[in-house]
Amino acid sequence: DQQVKQNSPSLSVQEGRISILNCDYTNSMFDYFLWYKKYPAEGPTFLISISSIKDKNEDGRFTVFLNKSAKHLSLHIVPSQPGDSAVYFCAASKAAGNKLTFGGGTRVLVKP
Amino acid sequence: EPEVTQTPSHQVTQMGQEVILRCVPISNHLYFYWYRQILGQKVEFLVSFYNNEISEKSEIFDDQFSVERPDGSNFTLKIRSTKLEDSAMYFCASSMTSGGANIQYFGAGTRLSVL
Repeated sequence: DQQVKQNSPSLSVQEGRISILNCDYTNSMFDYFLWYKKYPAEGPTFLISISSIKDKNEDGRFTVFLNKSAKHLSLHIVPSQPGDSAVYFCAASKAAGNKLTFGGGTRVLVKP
Repeated sequence: EPEVTQTPSHQVTQMGQEVILRCVPISNHLYFYWYRQILGQKVEFLVSFYNNEISEKSEIFDDQFSVERPDGSNFTLKIRSTKLEDSAMYFCASSMTSGGANIQYFGAGTRLSVL
């Protein structure tokens, strides 16, 4: 199932700089996109979401951008902190459905 | 802060045996889910459950799998006769609503090892 793809398996960034995580999707029926963060030995934790009718949503240090024509979204973390080191998953859902369709994840390492 | 609890954290079983993975969803949530992640692969949806019945299931969720909410707090996933390829991390999740942004809250997972 390649409907949601995260092409960068890993990302390394210096503390205080911006982390940019990318996600592409193929199914134009998706209505909502979510980002989850996962630490080792824990379940995914919800971070931020965006509706397909918007192009930007911001929550503190986290901003998600959606380019619907390109079927692309990105998560910006500014400034990055060592505690942000985790695996980040992009997920998508349909308004009428229940399931989340996940990307493969991007492992972020924030260096002090 | 309310959380989804899963037990056991690690389950080891022999091929062909039945296993039951247990979850306690967040108490006021109405929708319940199971996902799995095979090592090195994506998190995959298995099944969603609402109002005491399955609302959606994936191709993975065949006759070997079943879910149940035996009481007001537990939500279980049973694998009737485990196969080697069932070895994975199984995540339970719950949400207050369905559709929309559908924020699902995940447990820490049960690692199932089938030998």
